Formats: sequence, structure tokens, C-alpha cells
Amino acid sequence: DQQVKQNSPSLSVQEGRISILNCDYTNSMFDYFLWYKKYPAEGPTFLISISSIKDKNEDGRFTVFLNKSAKHLSLHIVPSQPGDSAVYFCAAASGGGADGLTFGKGTHLIIQP
Amino acid sequence: DAGVIQSPRHEVTEMGQEVTLRCKPISGHDYLFWYRQTMMRGLELLIYFNNNVPIDDSGMPEDRFSAKMPNASFSTLKIQPSEPRDSAVYFCASSLPGGALLFGPGTRLTVL
Repeated sequence: DQQVKQNSPSLSVQEGRISILNCDYTNSMFDYFLWYKKYPAEGPTFLISISSIKDKNEDGRFTVFLNKSAKHLSLHIVPSQPGDSAVYFCAAASGGGADGLTFGKGTHLIIQP
Repeated sequence: DAGVIQSPRHEVTEMGQEVTLRCKPISGHDYLFWYRQTMMRGLELLIYFNNNVPIDDSGMPEDRFSAKMPNASFSTLKIQPSEPRDSAVYFCASSLPGGALLFGPGTRLTVL
């Protein structure tokens, strides 16, 4: 049973526009959420995180929104740049993350010029 | 710091052979995690250590898999005997308590 779901395997966005990546979770014990970015032949790279006590966290072009009642989070990238083309993984944890992360299967973001 | 270091980067072996994957975590990180990535199952947690002690190995698929962390700067994941379905990318990650996991570049394992 997948506890973290990314229902869009791929997403194509034009350069300069906003990219919105979505993630749903089922485990109500999750209290810490992260987004990772992965290029081919590299390990996932930490991008941004949010604690369940917040509903928004912003870092430059990246903003993560958390809707606890809907068990949904999203990553907004604006404006999208060619270097943003990668696979994005949503991850969740309970207890602040000390027990490891549960990952979604990823969304392949393609930024078109 | 050089980040999490994994070796080898690629490993091709024949079914039945023993495979050992190695990881050097970031200095000072208390936690070390082994993940496996496949097309079908995505990124799965296999096992994690806190201060060199295995805490949860419930993700280890079978007894053929074992992991050790003899000291704070080294961990191994061993598969004996290996099978074709073990083919995957294996990632090691480390973190501070409550911090984000920082991943190594991974080892791509192919079992023929």
C-alpha cells in the first residue's frame, strides 16, 4: 500500500511558467514532508521541506504548500527554468524524519524552451 | 565535505555471486540509511542505523541481504547469493537528527 502518492508520472511546462507538482499521503502520522530533485545517474538532492505545523514554506523560486486536512502537498516552481528538468520525489516522515523517509514514485518534470 | 561516498558506482555480476556495496557517510551524521530504487517500487528504505546500531531492518527483502556499520564512517550492504531481481540502484544516505537525508550518487547493480 503506497503511503505517499505522486499521481502524475510526468509533467511538461514551458520555460518561464509555473510548475506545480502534487503529492498525496495516507498516513496521518506523517509530520515532516520533503521534496527531492533527481538528475539521471545522481542521487536525490534535497530541495525543500515543511513541518506539519506550517502550511507554506518558501525558498527562492520554490514554495511548498501543505494541506493537512486533505493530506496533500504541492511544490510550486516559478519561474520554471531549463535546469529544473528532473525527477521530483515527494517524501514524508513521522517523528521529525529520524526513522527514514517514505518516498513517492516521482514526477518527471520537463521544461520546454 | 565530499558528501556521501558510495562504491562501486556500477557493479555487474552473475547470479549466485556475492555483492558488497560500500558507503561512507558525511562526517558527524548520526544516521545512515540504505535505499533501493527500482522502476516498479520506486525508492524503498531497506535499513537504517543510528550511531552505528541497526534500528530498523524491516525493509530488507530477504535473508540474502545483510548490512553492517562497523564504525561511524563506513557501512556495507551485502547480498549473498545475488539474484537477477536484485538488479536496482542502491543509495546510501546520511543525516543529522531531524535533518534532511543527504544521498550518495548510488550504485547501479546488475545481476545477470
